Amino acid sequence: EVQLVESGGGLVQPGRSMKLSCAASGFTFNNYDMAWVCQAPKKGLEWVATISYDGSSTYYRDSVKGRFTISRDNAKSTLYLQMDSLRSEDTATYYCARGRYFRYWGQGVMVTVSS
Amino acid sequence: NTVMTQSPTSMFTSVGDRVTMSCKASQNVGINVGWYQQKTGQSPKRLIYWASNRDTGVPDRFTGSGSGTDFTLTISNMQAEDPAIYYCLQHNSYPWTFGGGTKLELK
Repeated sequence: EVQLVESGGGLVQPGRSMKLSCAASGFTFNNYDMAWVCQAPKKGLEWVATISYDGSSTYYRDSVKGRFTISRDNAKSTLYLQMDSLRSEDTATYYCARGRYFRYWGQGVMVTVSS
Repeated sequence: NTVMTQSPTSMFTSVGDRVTMSCKASQNVGINVGWYQQKTGQSPKRLIYWASNRDTGVPDRFTGSGSGTDFTLTISNMQAEDPAIYYCLQHNSYPWTFGGGTKLELK
């Protein structure tokens, strides 16, 4: 069974940093691209970033370029999202998703950026 | 960036109804479209990939169609477990973009 379990969310002040993790199991992690998708409270879905199966390529939405970094540790079957210079508009539930086209999703982790 | 516009924004339906919702792309995205279902308090679930391919385990009452700029998700026989927000996604060119969603509710 495919499982994606996010962790690392919480309350953070504007301008500070936070790192999210997504532990994967039930499939061969290093065979798949992985992605982060977010959803602000009561809002729709937004793609955030994607990383290729081997970590050699990364893609970001414009609003997070230069502030967020997606990475992975294939030995640990874990996906990461380093979020720096956080803004109030980054407040959202962050989901990790398997594959370039989001076949499977985690349960999500809430990030609240507020002073 | 490719804008995905979904309509209607919300709709009420009854068990047994045929439901059709639309997703229009601002430019040609080929068949690089997926449909996702998000029930209240849950993570999204993919239903359809490459515009018309049903994911394993998805009931055959869900059908995706379209190509280019116009896409449709049809539920042939609405069931009590189908109320949710349905999103389309284009993955033809970065940034991947979702539509704003269609909220489907029972009368």
